Amino acid sequence: SQTIHQWPATLVQPVGSPLSLECTVEGTSNPNLYWYRQAAGRGLQLLFYSIGIGQISSEVPQNLSASRPQDRQFILSSKKLLLSDSGFYLCAWSVTGALYGYTFGSGTRLTVV
Amino acid sequence: GQQLNQSPQSMFIQEGEDVSMNCTSSSIFNTWLWYKQDPGEGPVLLIALYKAGELTSNGRLTAQFGITRKDSFLNISASIPSDVGIYFCAGQLTGNQFYFGTGTSLTVIP
Repeated sequence: SQTIHQWPATLVQPVGSPLSLECTVEGTSNPNLYWYRQAAGRGLQLLFYSIGIGQISSEVPQNLSASRPQDRQFILSSKKLLLSDSGFYLCAWSVTGALYGYTFGSGTRLTVV
Repeated sequence: GQQLNQSPQSMFIQEGEDVSMNCTSSSIFNTWLWYKQDPGEGPVLLIALYKAGELTSNGRLTAQFGITRKDSFLNISASIPSDVGIYFCAGQLTGNQFYFGTGTSLTVIP
């Protein structure tokens, strides 16, 4: 069966520090991968999505970037965190065409101080 | 991007009551999904709808794909404390992307 792993679960980082969040999927190949941010426990904002290795689409211009170095690995990064980057970050995967919707990871709570 | 409006934004109900929430859009969608997010966790898929007019149940949950294809509804019968969380609708036009609603926060009072 397919599983999605996201880490770390919580992170407290100072303003100006770099960020690296990792997401991996097991049990499937060539998944579509997504990064979402959720502020204040409400709406889901799509940040990046990827349909293949090295193929990244950005939905919102911001202080973050994403990379997909391997088929089932998706990384969210920042060179210098801002206070406004705080939030709950969710990784998700789907099959091509997303027929069955998205499966989400358990999320990373990022607090920038 | 597409905007999906969910209502109500939040609900406070007594245990045992039924719950109704809906999701509307100005666009016609081919697929509707309903997710539930427990506090501090990622959303989990509850129900998927693929045809206009489709009515699908999952235990005490029932969801419907609106006839106009611009809306969807979720009902929860006989609510229990573990129903607490945020419920999201999601709609798919074509391709790989789903658009998520703004969420309905449900609180169940024992």
